Amino acid sequence: GQQVMQIPQYQHVQEGEDFTTYCNSSTTLSNIQWYKQRPGGHPVFLIQLVKSGEVKKQKRLTFQFGEAKKNSSLHITATQTTDVGTYFCAGPGGGFKTIFGAGTRLFVKA
Amino acid sequence: NAGVTQTPKFQVLKTGQSMTLQCAQDMNHNSMYWYRQDPGMGLRLIYYSASEGTTDKGEVPNGYNVSRLNKREFSLRLESAAPSQTSVYFCATLTGVPYEQYFGPGTRLTVT
Repeated sequence: GQQVMQIPQYQHVQEGEDFTTYCNSSTTLSNIQWYKQRPGGHPVFLIQLVKSGEVKKQKRLTFQFGEAKKNSSLHITATQTTDVGTYFCAGPGGGFKTIFGAGTRLFVKA
Repeated sequence: NAGVTQTPKFQVLKTGQSMTLQCAQDMNHNSMYWYRQDPGMGLRLIYYSASEGTTDKGEVPNGYNVSRLNKREFSLRLESAAPSQTSVYFCATLTGVPYEQYFGPGTRLTVT
């Protein structure tokens, strides 16, 4: 079945360093979404990308959707301790379903 | 607006006990979902309801039942809890464009 793979599983960074997480789908996606989950919290929607090659920015976060619409990345510039959490990518799973990647857990050391 | 609410927040069950997790939304969204989250496994879909009156199995439905009581409420029932069902359970709705999942705060369930 359809799968959404995400790497790395964990990333430890020093505050101020950059961070990137990558998402790959086994099939072409009509859109891809990114979510952030703070420790002990629930996933919160960050953004949706729809167009091939699309790049969107939210302050220090840059989201990209690949040309083939099968991969995506989230890049954080100059991480801060407030960036700590798990970042998930997600894509349509057919019908009304959403398929989530396993997530990348970000640790930031001050 | 409360968004998506879940009760209880925490629950400890003994093997074989039953319980119902409650979820309610006040956003008038048609579709509702139940996920479980285990460490390193991401979010796995248990059941979903595309609209009032319909329910469908997700990726991991065994051991669970659901009821879409009305447009607002979607409950998840464990008939005979097992330790493998120890997890965090999230209820979510699906908004319109963009098609984001809007999550409740979760229920942390431990089965001993």
